[in-house]
Order: sequence, then structure tokens, then C-alpha cells
Amino acid sequence: RKEVEQDPGPFNVPEGATVAFNCTYSNSASQSFFWYRQDCRKEPKLLMSVYSSGNEDGRFTAQLNRASQYISLLIRDSKLSDSATYLCVVNGAGGFKTIFGAGTRLFVKA
Amino acid sequence: GAGVSQTPSNKVTEKGKYVELRCDPISGHTALYWYRQSLGQGPEFLIYFQGTGAADDSGLPNDRFFAVRPEGSVSTLKIQRTERGDSAVYLCASSLAQGRGYTFGSGTRLTVV
Repeated sequence: RKEVEQDPGPFNVPEGATVAFNCTYSNSASQSFFWYRQDCRKEPKLLMSVYSSGNEDGRFTAQLNRASQYISLLIRDSKLSDSATYLCVVNGAGGFKTIFGAGTRLFVKA
Repeated sequence: GAGVSQTPSNKVTEKGKYVELRCDPISGHTALYWYRQSLGQGPEFLIYFQGTGAADDSGLPNDRFFAVRPEGSVSTLKIQRTERGDSAVYLCASSLAQGRGYTFGSGTRLTVV
């Protein structure tokens, strides 16, 4: 089993739609969680941290479920510019390395 | 500088050659990471520096790979006897502290022919 697993997609949604991604992680000792966004042939960029209580940043909402060992990202009112790969990131499981998922591809169409 | 700077942006080398990839992190960021990313995959952890020391090098695939950060700022990833399987984008990232979100450089695309 991979340490961090994501549905690769692609998710094809119309503008204005709400879309959600889940990510599961295998190590219950993991401490920090993030979502990154990566555009084609570009470096990953931090989208948001994920806190135990859940957190929101504009149209984006992230949630953590420690009991089930998954994190989620919800995007409301999708824009064309949201088209990208979304990477789930887990840190702190008994070491310093941060594990990235393989990413979920999102295409938002007009 | 304003961001993480990586040089060169592209490197083509012949199989068996030695290469050095450079990373200049954001000023004041003590944590520095090297990752590599192959097409369709997420970044794969290689090594983490806290200051000058390698706090975790468990991701280095074999002893052909080595990284240094002698003054706690710029880091160099060194690959000896390159193989075609080493071809990937090598990403460097820095952060204020371990466990915080990173800022990535734009990467070095290494192609071994």
C-alpha cells in the first residue's frame, strides 16, 4: 500500500461546479497535512495547510479525518483557472520526509 | 532572493557522467529539501537538511547520489555515474522550519542520454 494515495482522475467538471478530492494516508503518526497545486510543467505551489478542525480559504475547504486517515479538498464555484493537478502531502510520520501523493488532475471546462 | 532558485534549469548529460545541481533557498529558511519528480508522479523525497546537516537522507536511491549544504544556505545535489533512469525533474524546496509548508524552486530537468 502506498503511503499517500489519491485518485488520479481526471475530474472533468463545468465551470461553477463543486468538486471534492480525497486522499488517504497509511501512517497514523503523521502530523502535518497540506494540499499543493501543480500546473503543467511547473513546480508545486502550496495551496493550503489542513488543520484538524478543518479550514477554509475562499472557495477552498480542507478537512482532516484522523480516525479514518484521510484528508479532503473541496472546491466550490470552479473556475477555468482551477485546472491543475492537486497534490496531497503528509508530513511527520516518524521522520522528516514529507510524502506527496501522485496527484489528482482537474479539468474545468467552460 | 525572493524565491527558491535552481540552476541549471535544464541539463542534458551522457550516461556515466557526473552532474551537480544547485539550489539557492529563500533567505532565512533553515529547512531545505530535495525531491525528484517523474512524469505523472508526485515529487519523491530525496533528502532533508536542517541547517548544514542532513537530518534525513533516507530518500537517496543509492550511493551515486550525494548532497551538501556546507554553509546552511546553498545546497548542491551531486549525481555520479548518471544512468538513464536518473532522468527526472529535480526539485528543491525550502521552509522556515520542518513541518511547515514549502516553497519550491522551478526545478532542474535532468536528461541522461
